[in-house]
Amino acid sequence: DAGVTQSPTHLIKTRGQQVTLRCSPKSGHDTVSWYQQALGQGPQFIFQYYEEEERQRGNFPDRFSGHQFPNYSSELNVNALLLGDSALYLCASSGLTGGNTEAFFGQGTRLTVV
Amino acid sequence: GESVGLHLPTLSVQEGDNSIINCAYSNSASDYFIWYKQESGKGPQFIIDIRSNMDKRQGQRVTVLLNKTVKHLSLQIAATQPGDSAVYFCAENFSGSARQLTFGSGTQLTVLP
Repeated sequence: DAGVTQSPTHLIKTRGQQVTLRCSPKSGHDTVSWYQQALGQGPQFIFQYYEEEERQRGNFPDRFSGHQFPNYSSELNVNALLLGDSALYLCASSGLTGGNTEAFFGQGTRLTVV
Repeated sequence: GESVGLHLPTLSVQEGDNSIINCAYSNSASDYFIWYKQESGKGPQFIIDIRSNMDKRQGQRVTVLLNKTVKHLSLQIAATQPGDSAVYFCAENFSGSARQLTFGSGTQLTVLP
């Protein structure tokens, strides 16, 4: 079992550009959540996808958007990048059986905006 | 907004000693709590979880205690090892939030030789 995989691992973008990050969930998981982790802080929830729809969203602007594919993989898109978007972006997958279940995280994508 | 926070940002312990990491949460509706370990350059790694209908749960070398009266969580690590050095986060969730986790800012655990 490959667990949650994210790509790329590192990325450098220029302010104003757009970026797409990718996530493949753990086998058997159908729900994908995205988190932003600034240096020295805990992860902050961006949004969650289930059945190819955004089910819940945190306090992030519309520049942050996402998508989930039929195979449950997901993308996070950020438009009009700002310097403050520099962070570790984490993807977490979970299953829907039996209420609360643990979320498994990927290794993250380190985004640097210059 | 409601959030999860940690009492201490750093903790240093001697190898072989027990470690206790504390966490306060403020959302009384939270019914599921998780401890994560995050090593430098890696994503958070699940350690142990506990549901609100329990006060204590034990894993391998780790124990989580939940005190709902004072909204407090603790993670106990027995016989702390150098490999335990990392940042530890507690996270909370309530059933109505579709598994949206709210994290605290983390505690840096350093194990001294």
